[in-house]
Amino acid sequence: GQQVMQIPQYQHVQEGEDFTTYCNSSTTLSNIQWYKQRPGGHPVFLIQLVKSGEVKKQKRLTFQFGEAKKNSSLHITATQTTDVGTYFCAGNTGGFKTIFGAGTRLFVKA
Amino acid sequence: GAVVSQHPSWVICKSGTSVKIECRSLDFQATTMFWYRQFPKQSLMLMATSNEGSKATYEQGVEKDKFLINHASLTLSTLTVTSAHPEDSSFYICSAPGYSTNEKLFFGSGTQLSVL
Repeated sequence: GQQVMQIPQYQHVQEGEDFTTYCNSSTTLSNIQWYKQRPGGHPVFLIQLVKSGEVKKQKRLTFQFGEAKKNSSLHITATQTTDVGTYFCAGNTGGFKTIFGAGTRLFVKA
Repeated sequence: GAVVSQHPSWVICKSGTSVKIECRSLDFQATTMFWYRQFPKQSLMLMATSNEGSKATYEQGVEKDKFLINHASLTLSTLTVTSAHPEDSSFYICSAPGYSTNEKLFFGSGTQLSVL
């Protein structure tokens, strides 16, 4: 069945350093979504990418969708302690079902 | 934005009892809702898709008789964990797509179930 792989599993950074998490799907996606989950909380929607090669920015966050629509990345520039949490990518192949990656836990040391 | 309300937030029950978790879409109608299970420090595992007015669709390996899903109205879906056992202890979370297919998901706040 469809799988969405996400790496790394976790990453420790010093505040101010950059951070990137990568997502790869076994099948072509119609869209990919990114969510952030704070410890003890529920996932919160960040962004959705639909077009091949799409790049979107939200302040310090940059999201990319691969040309083949099978991979994606989230890059955070100059991390802050408020960026702490788990970042999930979630792929959709056209129906309602959304498959989540394993998530990347980000730890930021002040 | 769309709001999904889930309760209870946490529940502790004895082994063998049943627990019902409710998920409501507050300001929109949700013909479809998704139920996920999340173990500590792990990803969200899709358990089933709840469809208003019809039977739920369960993912492979999820026991439909164990996890009863009812989607009686356009704003309410319930998950009942029947004859709960300690291995059922987990974080259960519901979600609903905003307005159409391929739409972003709005999540409930989740329910932490602990079975003693």
